[in-house]
Amino acid sequence: EDQVTQSPEALRLQEGESSSLNCSYTVSGLRGLFWYRQDPGKGPEFLFTLYSAGEEKEKERLKATLTKKESFLHITAPKPEDSATYLCAVRRNSGNTPLVFGKGTRLSVIA
Amino acid sequence: DTGVSQDPRHKITKRGQNVTFRCDPISEHNRLYWYRQTLGQGPEFLTYFQNEAQLEKSRLLSDRFSAERPKGSFSTLEIQRTEQGDSAMYLCASSSTSGTFLFFGQGTRLTVV
Repeated sequence: EDQVTQSPEALRLQEGESSSLNCSYTVSGLRGLFWYRQDPGKGPEFLFTLYSAGEEKEKERLKATLTKKESFLHITAPKPEDSATYLCAVRRNSGNTPLVFGKGTRLSVIA
Repeated sequence: DTGVSQDPRHKITKRGQNVTFRCDPISEHNRLYWYRQTLGQGPEFLTYFQNEAQLEKSRLLSDRFSAERPKGSFSTLEIQRTEQGDSAMYLCASSSTSGTFLFFGQGTRLTVV
């Protein structure tokens, strides 16, 4: 069974204090790993897709990386507006399987 | 706004009542997904459609849940005889045939009292 484990569950940073979120996954044949951002009371917003180990994607202060067992979301010099829950999801490389999500990391950035 | 639209945004119902939610996907997307999310958890897959065909249902989708997508456009999710455990955010997402990227709506927050 596909599994996604995110750590930490919650993270509190000072503005400008860089850090990383972890997503460990178990899937039989990875078709893609996805990062989403979710604000309270809203639906997830797509950030990145990574397909193979060694791949990296960047968007503003966020950088996602992928290995064969985990992905990291690096946040450089975060701002209060980066506060949100960050969700990781995987899709298996067979058939039309749905995304399997982790529980998310709740990030708070304090000014 | 051409994103995924869900209605209503919030629903409060008494235990035992039936509720129905609607999702309008991005117009050119032929795949539509329903997920459920409870507090502190990630979204959990319920079911998905390709055009009007319901191709997969999760074990989470009990007999009290039914989803339809007539004519392959909008979709409805009905919950019969609601229970307190049904309280959650119900999320709809859509994608193109490749299904690589899922775009989510804002969700419907259901509270069963």
